[in-house]
Amino acid sequence: DGGITQSPKYLFRKEGQNVTLSCEQNLNHDAMYWYRQDPGQGLRLIYYSQIVNDFQKGDIAEGYSVSREKKESFPLTVTSAQKNPTAFYLCASNSGQGNYEQYFGPGTRLTVT
Amino acid sequence: GQNIDQPTEMTATEGAIVQINCTYQTSGFNGLFWYQQHAGEAPTFLSYNVLDGLEEKGRFSSFLSRSKGYSYLLLKELQMKDSASYLCAVPGGPWDQAGTALIFGKGTTLSVSS
Repeated sequence: DGGITQSPKYLFRKEGQNVTLSCEQNLNHDAMYWYRQDPGQGLRLIYYSQIVNDFQKGDIAEGYSVSREKKESFPLTVTSAQKNPTAFYLCASNSGQGNYEQYFGPGTRLTVT
Repeated sequence: GQNIDQPTEMTATEGAIVQINCTYQTSGFNGLFWYQQHAGEAPTFLSYNVLDGLEEKGRFSSFLSRSKGYSYLLLKELQMKDSASYLCAVPGGPWDQAGTALIFGKGTTLSVSS
């Protein structure tokens, strides 16, 4: 089955630790995206990548880092510099090139205490 | 810049019809999406409107007026399972030169009661 996987579903970390969230897709999509969602809020874009070895900052990139070494994978690292890291993180992808519909992974709920 | 507004909450009863409105301001326009999101889950695609008018898909319909910067999602014959957040989104942002990322509204939480 084609789709996007994120792991783990729930993640707990202590304050001051970096943590990496996984996102893998087998849809052969060129573009991948990371969004953050807080309670009662819409999705806000953290980073996106339209092609391997290239990525761009979104609206709220501070305190986050990404890499895109493979087409299938777009991991997100939440660094200790992120002031309020507790949130629901969603990864998405699409084929790009004028195709705007995004396909979402199941999400990772990160809790930092 | 980009701005999307939608009501925060709505309530309705089973079997009823509900209309969720969305107004947007964009520097360019490449269509408008509606997604459904149940609590703790990923958004799922409902509709994509590029041209003015109403598009019907089963119990759900979506309307777009580009001149008014306005869209609505119409849900008919409401069921309990329709209780969810409904997100309005448009492609593009000030940081998105290719215009492929989506900007989302804050979502409308719909509660359906029996």
